[in-house]
Amino acid sequence: DAGVIQSPRHEVTEMGQEVTLRCKPISGHDYLFWYRQTMMRGLELLIYFNNNVPIDDSGMPEDRFSAKMPNASFSTLKIQPSEPRDSAVYFCASSYGGQVGFYNSPLHFGNGTRLTVT
Amino acid sequence: AQSVTQLDSQVPVFEEAPVELRCNYSSSVSVYLFWYVQYPNQGLQLLLKYLSGSTLVKGINGFEAEFNKSQTSFHLRKPSVHISDTAEYFCAVVRGNQFYFGTGTSLTVIP
Repeated sequence: DAGVIQSPRHEVTEMGQEVTLRCKPISGHDYLFWYRQTMMRGLELLIYFNNNVPIDDSGMPEDRFSAKMPNASFSTLKIQPSEPRDSAVYFCASSYGGQVGFYNSPLHFGNGTRLTVT
Repeated sequence: AQSVTQLDSQVPVFEEAPVELRCNYSSSVSVYLFWYVQYPNQGLQLLLKYLSGSTLVKGINGFEAEFNKSQTSFHLRKPSVHISDTAEYFCAVVRGNQFYFGTGTSLTVIP
């Protein structure tokens, strides 16, 4: 099992540019989460999906952020236009919930994408 | 309202000494509690979890935690730390269908 795969590992872009972060969850997992980590705010949940359907996007900062999950093996987080305050490490995580609920299964995190917006 | 509070942002400890990382949770949340560890430049990994049953939970790498309902705490302990334990540690709870993480405790093991 390759684990959760995120790309790219590092992204440096200029303010105003579009940024797309990618995530491949673990095969068979039915929950996918996007988190953002900063020194000031710690780990923040942005959005999560269950069976490819967005369930809660209340953590998405504003309309500049969007996330999609077109199939069970791929998700994207897009920022358009990007701003310096978006600089952070973005994590994707997946888990299996099934009928019981995902809390019985740990979250598996990718290694993150470190985004720097200049 | 904060679901999880980690009282110490940084904990320095000498190698082979015991350590306790503190975590208190809101009594209004369900009692599914977790500790995750984050090594530099990596994502979080599960250390241990409490769902029900025995209040003393053993995890990987020699860590354990005790669920204390009366004190609403879930402190993480290790009797003897190694240099390799230097990392960020996060306490987390589940409420509804979401994990809520604490602000993290940075453990630094001093040789």
